[in-house]
Amino acid sequence: EAQVTQNPRYLITVTGKKLTVTCSQNMNHEYMSWYRQDPGLGLRQIYYSMNVEVTDKGDVPEGYKVSRKEKRNFPLILESPSPNQTSLYFCASSGGQGAYNEQFFGPGTRLTVL
Amino acid sequence: DAKTTQPPSMDCAEGRAANLPCNHSTISGNEYVYWYRQIHSQGPQYIIHGLKNNETNEMASLIITEDRKSSTLILPHATLRDTAVYYCIVRVGSGGYNKLIFGAGTRLAVHP
Repeated sequence: EAQVTQNPRYLITVTGKKLTVTCSQNMNHEYMSWYRQDPGLGLRQIYYSMNVEVTDKGDVPEGYKVSRKEKRNFPLILESPSPNQTSLYFCASSGGQGAYNEQFFGPGTRLTVL
Repeated sequence: DAKTTQPPSMDCAEGRAANLPCNHSTISGNEYVYWYRQIHSQGPQYIIHGLKNNETNEMASLIITEDRKSSTLILPHATLRDTAVYYCIVRVGSGGYNKLIFGAGTRLAVHP
């Protein structure tokens, strides 16, 4: 089954404790991205990647890092989480240039930073 | 990307057609209209997209006005599982590299 998976689905942590949210897709998609969703602000893009070893900032990249060492994986790293990073996070992937542009979203990761 | 305007909420009776409007009066000639939905904090789900012509798939129909300044998403026989927030998004091109800019969307409530 074609899908985007995220882990963990729920996470409660404390300020300053480094964490990684994993994202994996099995559709051989070139394009992957991370969004966060907050009440009243909608979904906003954090980082995106057009292919392996190619990443770029989205609209709200501060406090986050990403890497794209393999095509299927795009982890989101919070080196020193803060309470304002409490949010619902979604990973998405799509087929890239020229491909039918349906973006597939993961199930979400609900992060709480105390 | 062009800005879109949608009503904040709508109601629909189960089994009836749900017609969700979207205004995009500043749309450019190379911008597509996309619809996604999000069911209660799940990941957004693609529904349909179009450029000029009306489109239909197994989920919905998309009607785009001739001047392309507005469109309507039609769910022909709404079910309770169609209760969700529906997002109308306008963006350049049909390639997969561009981000999606989600607005506030329309919260559709389907009632028995």
